Amino acid sequence: GQNIDQPTEMTATEGAIVQINCTYQTSGFNGLFWYQQHAGEAPTFLSYNVLDGLEEKGRFSSFLSRSKGYSYLLLKELQMKDSASYLCAVWNSGNTPLVFGKGTRLSVIA
Amino acid sequence: GAGVSQSPSNKVTEKGKDVELRCDPISGHTALYWYRQRLGQGLEFLIYFQGNSAPDKSGLPSDRFSAERTGESVSTLTIQRTQQEDSAVYLCASSSLGEQGEKLFFGSGTQLSVL
Repeated sequence: GQNIDQPTEMTATEGAIVQINCTYQTSGFNGLFWYQQHAGEAPTFLSYNVLDGLEEKGRFSSFLSRSKGYSYLLLKELQMKDSASYLCAVWNSGNTPLVFGKGTRLSVIA
Repeated sequence: GAGVSQSPSNKVTEKGKDVELRCDPISGHTALYWYRQRLGQGLEFLIYFQGNSAPDKSGLPSDRFSAERTGESVSTLTIQRTQQEDSAVYLCASSSLGEQGEKLFFGSGTQLSVL
């Protein structure tokens, strides 16, 4: 089976940097995804990591350490519109479903 | 179509009635997922279709839930004898393996309310 853990809630200030952690335990590994979900909307893709290291995409970066079963999503220059849930998901292998963590609800305050 | 389409967007039903939810995936996507999301909660995996393989039904919460998919096209999720605990948003997603792995594209969901 799989176990994916991320904090339930986080609060950060507009303009600041926030790091959302995700740890996972899985029997196989084919990649880790981060999705963003605004309240009342469907999740949208943010990032995909399959190799160790940092992937940067504008204000958002995602890091992966396969040996530690650990990833984080880094959000810089926070904006109010970044208030959303951030979902970590692990993909085991080609014919197994993508499994999501319970998500981290981020609130950005002025 | 351009994206994953789900219908209806909202469904209100009485306890004990059957409901059928529909998902039209992105054309050419071999994988199709159904998830359930209760208010303020995470995504709960229900069922996974991948090409012609047998579906992974390990997430279905009870035998009142079933799903079908026609080839690599439309899928329907059926809930029989609905209960109030079934009230949730039902999200469908599709995917085609590519350089970003099993990247999912989600529909807007069906909000199911069981009175």
